[in-house]
Amino acid sequence: GAVVSQHPSWVICKSGTSVKIECRSLDFQATTMFWYRQFPKQSLMLMATSNEGSKATYEQGVEKDKFLINHASLTLSTLTVTSAHPEDSSFYICISQPMTGSNSPLHFGNGTRLTVT
Amino acid sequence: DAKTTQPNSMESNEEEPVHLPCNHSTISGTDYIHWYRQLPSQGPEYVIHGLTSNVNNRMASLAIAEDRKSSTLILHRATLRDAAVYYCILRDWWSGNTPLVFGKGTRLSVIA
Repeated sequence: GAVVSQHPSWVICKSGTSVKIECRSLDFQATTMFWYRQFPKQSLMLMATSNEGSKATYEQGVEKDKFLINHASLTLSTLTVTSAHPEDSSFYICISQPMTGSNSPLHFGNGTRLTVT
Repeated sequence: DAKTTQPNSMESNEEEPVHLPCNHSTISGTDYIHWYRQLPSQGPEYVIHGLTSNVNNRMASLAIAEDRKSSTLILHRATLRDAAVYYCILRDWWSGNTPLVFGKGTRLSVIA
């Protein structure tokens, strides 16, 4: 079945540094990539929606200058957490929408656990 | 997307069937019913989805009420690996590329 490869699966970084998370769709073309984060014991919260070749749309309260999203091709989307702080420590998940239509199942990355020290 | 209501948690014995309910009384005619689950420390994964008719796949069965205001995910024989949070989500066919809206889901515990 369709696979989304998300890397890294976990990362520890120092406060003030930047971290890039990649999501690649391996055998399908992803027109849209949704980026979520999940704090412990909570549900997934949408951060932003990115469409290939256009600027991402961010949810209210999510800083677009802090969470940089690039969706330059139909198979790759990246999320960069800039100047990370301990409160950015979370589980980040990409969810991909194939081109086959909005009623088809979405495909999930396996998540990136970010710890900022 | 319309809202869904699920129990916070359920418990099952291993190798017994599990019925996970979901209420979606405000479902529209173009809403598909999707089920996803999230195993501990992993991203969610697709389980099953349907519109009106009951659906079966290798993972589970989806029973949809005739009025579509509720549905039940059926795991025929629960295993320890099925312990996860199960999310019931409605997705409008006509809305294009809309994101999933996750509620709190049902945390399923499986007892050996």
